[in-house]
Amino acid sequence: GAGVSQSPSNKVTEKGKDVELRCDPISGHTALYWYRQSLGQGLEFLIYFQGNSAPDKSGLPSDRFSAERTGGSVSTLTIQRTQQEDSAVYLCASGNTGRPEETQYFGPGTRLLVL
Amino acid sequence: TQLLEQSPQFLSIQEGENLTVYCNSSSVFSSLQWYRQEPGEGPVLLVTVVTGGEVKKLKRLTFQFGDARKDSSLHITAAQPGDTGLYLCAGAPESNYQLIWGAGTKLIIKP
Repeated sequence: GAGVSQSPSNKVTEKGKDVELRCDPISGHTALYWYRQSLGQGLEFLIYFQGNSAPDKSGLPSDRFSAERTGGSVSTLTIQRTQQEDSAVYLCASGNTGRPEETQYFGPGTRLLVL
Repeated sequence: TQLLEQSPQFLSIQEGENLTVYCNSSSVFSSLQWYRQEPGEGPVLLVTVVTGGEVKKLKRLTFQFGDARKDSSLHITAAQPGDTGLYLCAGAPESNYQLIWGAGTKLIIKP
C-alpha cells in the first residue's frame, strides 16, 4: 500500500477485556516495529519483527502483551486482560530492511482507552 | 542502558523567533534521526545525520551531529505556526540494531 495503516483508529474497552490491534505495513518492507506512546511523550519500543520472526521482544511490558506477524506482512498486537495503564497510542512502523539508520514509516496509531 | 535526553521538553514561542532543541547522550551513535509528529499522526522523518560534525539544512531547519556522534541539535530560524509539533530524536547505537528514542520536545509556535 501507499503507507502504513493501522486499525482500529480508536478503541475504548473495559478493564479486563482483550484487544487486538492491527498493522498493515508498506508492501515489501521486511521490518515492522510496534511502539507505545503516552500522551505527548516519546516512543516506548515494544517489539521488532524481521519477516515473521521477532528477534527482539524485549520491550513487551508483561506477558499480557503478545504480537505476531504472518506472511511477512500484517501484524497483530494483542493485549489480554487490559488494565487502565495500558491506555496509550500504539504506533506501528515499517522499514525496508530493518537497519537502524533507515527511515521508519509510521502509521497513524491506534488510540486505546481502557475504562 | 543507553539514553537520549532531549531538551527542552516543552517550548512555546512567538512566530518569527529562533529556537534550538538538543538531543544528548553519553553513548556514541552510528547515525541519528529527527522526526516530527503532529497531533493524531505518526512521526515523520525529517533528517538522518551519519557523520560527526555533519550539518544538514532543510529550509529553515538546521540539524547538526556532534563531532563525537553523541549529541545533536535542531535549530529553527524564524519559526512558523506550521512548525508546531512534537520533535523526536532517535539514535542508532553502534553495537545494537535497535533505535534509542528521546522523550521528545513539544513545540508550539504562536501566531
